[in-house]
Amino acid sequence: DAKTTQPNSMESNEEEPVHLPCNHSTISGTDYIHWYRQLPSQGPEYVIHGLTSNVNNRMASLAIAEDRKSSTLILHRATLRDAAVYYCILRGYGNYGGSQGNLIFGKGTKLSVKP
Amino acid sequence: KAGVTQTPRYLIKTRGQQVTLSCSPISGHRSVSWYQQTPGQGLQFLFEYFSETQRNKGNFPGRFSGRQFSNSRSEMNVSTLELGDSALYLCASSDPLGQVNSGANVLTFGAGSRLTVL
Repeated sequence: DAKTTQPNSMESNEEEPVHLPCNHSTISGTDYIHWYRQLPSQGPEYVIHGLTSNVNNRMASLAIAEDRKSSTLILHRATLRDAAVYYCILRGYGNYGGSQGNLIFGKGTKLSVKP
Repeated sequence: KAGVTQTPRYLIKTRGQQVTLSCSPISGHRSVSWYQQTPGQGLQFLFEYFSETQRNKGNFPGRFSGRQFSNSRSEMNVSTLELGDSALYLCASSDPLGQVNSGANVLTFGAGSRLTVL
């Protein structure tokens, strides 16, 4: 399965934008790029996903490089509640009929937000 | 819409015992996956169920097993517990897409069941 590379940690100030990078140089044409985050003492939470085009939702934006070898999760105004571990994950086809395939989590980026 | 519910939230067992964890998916979600999270290994995939059948399995010993019921609720069981089984066990549910679109499938996770083995 294709791997992703993320910085171990990043810091941000509250109410400032945050750009979380992810490299995935071995991505295949059918792999979607997903982002999940995990707040302390909670399960992972879906943030956003995309295939080729940039995506926006109420939580964040996803900017995907033209060659798809990297992507950036953008939090437009960080809040204290955004302090979490952010995981960038590639998701391709399921293995066989009915399988959706599994998520392969790396170590993620631990985002700290300063007031 | 209620989220994914996992029970119990916390439990303590001793080595050699067995444990059963329960997961109720979001209403209408037919696919359930289980993950183990430890400080050393991070989040690792255990297994995936759809229509009461295991569709995918991670690299865990046979002591780890699961099942899914006709109402999509799922249970996982760990027998002969070892100290290394202490972990947060997470269940996730989703509404399956066809295989071609499965890469777009989004998971909703529960809060997890924290197991401590003494």
